[in-house]
Amino acid sequence: AIQMTQSPSSFSASTGDRVTITCRASQGISSSLAWYQQKPGKAPKLLVYGASTLQSGVPSRFSGSGSGTDFTLTISCLQSEDFATYYCQQFYSYPYTFGPGTKVDIK
Amino acid sequence: EVQLVESGGGLVQPGGSLRLSCAASGLTFSNYWMSWVRQAPGKGLEWVANINQGGSGKNYVDSVKGRFTISRDNAENSLFLQMDSLRAEDTAIYYCAKFRDYFENWGQGALVTVSS
Repeated sequence: AIQMTQSPSSFSASTGDRVTITCRASQGISSSLAWYQQKPGKAPKLLVYGASTLQSGVPSRFSGSGSGTDFTLTISCLQSEDFATYYCQQFYSYPYTFGPGTKVDIK
Repeated sequence: EVQLVESGGGLVQPGGSLRLSCAASGLTFSNYWMSWVRQAPGKGLEWVANINQGGSGKNYVDSVKGRFTISRDNAENSLFLQMDSLRAEDTAIYYCAKFRDYFENWGQGALVTVSS
């Protein structure tokens, strides 16, 4: 199975900050990567798929990049509603696997 | 608007069985693969199973193979997960999701607790 790692596992940030989360796959997955946001007690929400395609309705301050093994999710100007946990997921091969998550909380 | 509503969760003893259901609306259900994804308390996400449009193609994570069965009823716009031989490590919130390789829409989840 393809292992997904994320860094950092958690960090504190302030509203208005530019934030970057990194995801790494244990082998090349082309652009077969998605990002999700999850708030406490809620279901995950799809943000990005195909490594860089923004899901409809997701604010343009979110962007994704990368291919192969290394990927990033960037939030250009952090808003209060963005404090959450973020997960990456590979859909290159079964079993589809998620990263362990990156929790972004308020500084 | 796509809506997915899970039901059927609850407390079950180790070795027991439970059947989850997911009622779908706001989409042409029969056009899409569907999936189950779970999340143990305080933990990350784990894909469990998915099923193709007609129900003939199914995939499972190794840890549930032979114990869980995914199925669907396109006439009723419903997805199911039959869970047998349940173990403590199956305790989780189970989410139903519209699947397009990635998980495009999610239900609110159903909590399954396996404990004596």
